[in-house]
Amino acid sequence: QKEVEQDPGPLSVPEGAIVSLNCTYSNSAFQYFMWYRQYSRKGPELLMYTYSSGNKEDGRFTAQVDKSSKYISLFIRDSQPSDSATYLCAMSGSGGGADGLTFGKGTHLIIQP
Amino acid sequence: EPEVTQTPSHQVTQMGQEVILRCVPISNHLYFYWYRQILGQKVEFLVSFYNNEISEKSEIFDDQFSVERPDGSNFTLKIRSTKLEDSAMYFCASSDPGSPRGGDTEAFFGQGTRLTVV
Repeated sequence: QKEVEQDPGPLSVPEGAIVSLNCTYSNSAFQYFMWYRQYSRKGPELLMYTYSSGNKEDGRFTAQVDKSSKYISLFIRDSQPSDSATYLCAMSGSGGGADGLTFGKGTHLIIQP
Repeated sequence: EPEVTQTPSHQVTQMGQEVILRCVPISNHLYFYWYRQILGQKVEFLVSFYNNEISEKSEIFDDQFSVERPDGSNFTLKIRSTKLEDSAMYFCASSDPGSPRGGDTEAFFGQGTRLTVV
């Protein structure tokens, strides 16, 4: 069964803090892992993509995947008030295109100035 | 920067009526998707579309739903007889299967159409 669990929050941290966002999943067929950012009443915006296990860094963002634990994380360094949004994890079994993404419910992040 | 555009941004319809939600995917993309997000719930996959046919659909995508690419630019979602529980944000997305990251791993989403069934 495709299922992705994500703490909905809200998660409130002071500006400049390191933020850790996480998802767990149950389907071992997932190979592609993504993080999307969604502002209120807007469409999801792709932030990070990772294939299989490992780390990936892009500026202030680091994505980690641990397939053995079925656990993925997104770290945000030097958090800014503009980072306040809902962060969605998403995953799929193939990168070929036909397989739809399975999303977590999203974590509402608030960065306090 | 190319983007996925959706119209209308908000649609109000009476229960039992048919609605058509419209999307213009990014021009060189070949995979198209519809997702929905009920208020406070997860974004849920409805259907993927490639080469003028449905590639995959979820359990949500039953006989009341249909998709069409009527011309070279538009991609539509039709809901034949709307129910109250169809009220949600509907997102269109598109991707390029030839991209280095692969197809749906780099799906770009539109801003959504908020459908309200009354």
